[in-house]
Amino acid sequence: GNSVTQMEGPVTLSEEAFLTINCTYTATGYPSLFWYVQYPGEGLQLLLKATKADDKGSNKGFEATYRKETTSFHLEKGSVQVSDSAVYFCALSFSGGYNKLIFGAGTRLAVHP
Amino acid sequence: GAVVSQHPSWVICKSGTSVKIECRSLDFQATTMFWYRQFPKQSLMLMATSNEGSKATYEQGVEKDKFLINHASLTLSTLTVTSAHPEDSSFYICSARYSPGRSYEQYFGPGTRLTVT
Repeated sequence: GNSVTQMEGPVTLSEEAFLTINCTYTATGYPSLFWYVQYPGEGLQLLLKATKADDKGSNKGFEATYRKETTSFHLEKGSVQVSDSAVYFCALSFSGGYNKLIFGAGTRLAVHP
Repeated sequence: GAVVSQHPSWVICKSGTSVKIECRSLDFQATTMFWYRQFPKQSLMLMATSNEGSKATYEQGVEKDKFLINHASLTLSTLTVTSAHPEDSSFYICSARYSPGRSYEQYFGPGTRLTVT
């Protein structure tokens, strides 16, 4: 079946550190890939997405590249800020139908000054 | 724009009672809404897809008679947990999408925490 696996958290970093959150997927076919972020007390927000192999999604300094050969979509940021503290979810979806999302378990990031 | 609200944000109910959770798209019309359930430290699991004016489509293993979904208008979907039991305690999240023709993006509500005692 289709699934998404994320690295377990929490991830604790100091401000300005480099961030990587690993995400791998299993899918029949070629899904679109997403990163969502959930700030405390708020709903999930789309952070970035990529719809085909080798695409790079980017937003707010975060990047992720769709790697078909390794079935991965790792999230990176060169210099994190305290305001980046949140839970990050990797997800996949297939086109057609109602684009149901399949989520990973989520990774909590805590950034300290 | 694209704000989705949920009410209540948290609710405690006694075993055997029913509880209704509302999901509203505040500034757009949503032909499709989704209901998810999230257990602590686990993924969001899709429960059902609801389309305005028609019956919801439930995921495998989700009891239709227990989790009643109504999508009566383009801005409101409700989830009613009937005859709730402690194992129904969870975090319920809804999302809304503009229309089948738009991008893949779904807009999520902040969630409702249900505790059944």
